Amino acid sequence: DQQVKQNSPSLSVQEGRISILNCDYTNSMFDYFLWYKKYPAEGPTFLISISSIKDKNEDGRFTVFLNKSAKHLSLHIVPSQPGDSAVYFCAAEDARADGLTFGKGTHLIIQP
Amino acid sequence: KAGVTQTPRYLIKTRGQQVTLSCSPISGHRSVSWYQQTPGQGLQFLFEYFSETQRNKGNFPGRFSGRQFSNSRSEMNVSTLELGDSALYLCASSLQGKGETQYFGPGTRLLVL
Repeated sequence: DQQVKQNSPSLSVQEGRISILNCDYTNSMFDYFLWYKKYPAEGPTFLISISSIKDKNEDGRFTVFLNKSAKHLSLHIVPSQPGDSAVYFCAAEDARADGLTFGKGTHLIIQP
Repeated sequence: KAGVTQTPRYLIKTRGQQVTLSCSPISGHRSVSWYQQTPGQGLQFLFEYFSETQRNKGNFPGRFSGRQFSNSRSEMNVSTLELGDSALYLCASSLQGKGETQYFGPGTRLLVL
């Protein structure tokens, strides 16, 4: 049973436009959410996080939105740059325990 | 500040053998978590250690074990290796654990033949 779902395995966006990556979750006890970026053969790199008490967090080109009623979060990257091409993972932490639950990832491709 | 380091980076073993992987967290971080990444299952949580104690464990068989030392360095061990244990094993550290950002190391790529 997948508790964190990223339904788009891949996404192609033109350079300079906005990239929107989506993530849905089913566990209502998740209280902390993170986005990571990953290149092949490397560990995930932390991008941005959001606590369940907030609905938006912004850091430079990256903004994460959390809609708790819909159990949905999204990552907006604007403007998209070629170096943003990577696999993006959504992760969530349960309020009762340590350890992150990850989605399967979305491969973002930025086209020139 | 140096990031999370993992050794070795690559490893080849045969079925039935055991393996030990090592992780050094970011200086000052006391929580270390381990994850397994496979193409089929994605990234899955193995266990988390804090102050030399396992605080939480994922849904993996007892062949997977770990420990943490007083300097926060951690090791994980897999005994009686199976072909399905071939994966990228990632270690992540954070200051205290819960509710904090976990920073990942580069991973150890294990191939079981």
